[in-house]
Amino acid sequence: AQSVTQLDSQVPVFEEAPVELRCNYSSSVSVYLFWYVQYPNQGLQLLLKYLSGSTLVKGINGFEAEFNKSQTSFHLRKPSVHISDTAEYFCAVRGAYKTSYDKVIFGPGTSLSVIP
Amino acid sequence: KAGVTQTPRYLIKTRGQQVTLSCSPISGHRSVSWYQQTPGQGLQFLFEYFSETQRNKGNFPGRFSGRQFSNSRSEMNVSTLELGDSALYLCASSPGGDRGRRETQYFGPGTRLLVL
Repeated sequence: AQSVTQLDSQVPVFEEAPVELRCNYSSSVSVYLFWYVQYPNQGLQLLLKYLSGSTLVKGINGFEAEFNKSQTSFHLRKPSVHISDTAEYFCAVRGAYKTSYDKVIFGPGTSLSVIP
Repeated sequence: KAGVTQTPRYLIKTRGQQVTLSCSPISGHRSVSWYQQTPGQGLQFLFEYFSETQRNKGNFPGRFSGRQFSNSRSEMNVSTLELGDSALYLCASSPGGDRGRRETQYFGPGTRLLVL
């Protein structure tokens, strides 16, 4: 079975401060990892993904994440947040192709609130 | 390119009724996935279709079904609606096929279903 844990349900941060949103996963197979953002009343937008290769992944809007296999983590970071980053952030995993794990499992989400 | 479109955007039904939701993927995309989003259960995978074949499914009762047409458009159906089926239903499309083309999913705005 696969699961995703996002330890912080809510993260308040001041504008222009750095932020880290934590994500840990559990899986018995190798996985692909994703971060999505959801703005109010909208669908999800892919921020970044890790499929293989470099463990540091850069995404859109200045976000980056680092895959740590030994700690089964995929934390999302941004060095300086903006008001427009206020949204819900979801970490997700997907298991190996053509297996029963080949489906996207989402974490519960972290609500990021940027304070002016 | 036009994005993923979902119709209708809002829907109100009563218990016991059935409902059909529609999803039109991005032109050229052959894979469509469906997700249910609720405050209590979060984002949950329903099923994925590729080239008219169901590739994988989540842990939902048989009342939830779907299909994909030759033009890649997809529908999902929920029969005998229950109050707990009230949710935002999200559709996502991807080019599909081999690894690297499947993983980047583009989400539609969702259909918000309210069951009374």
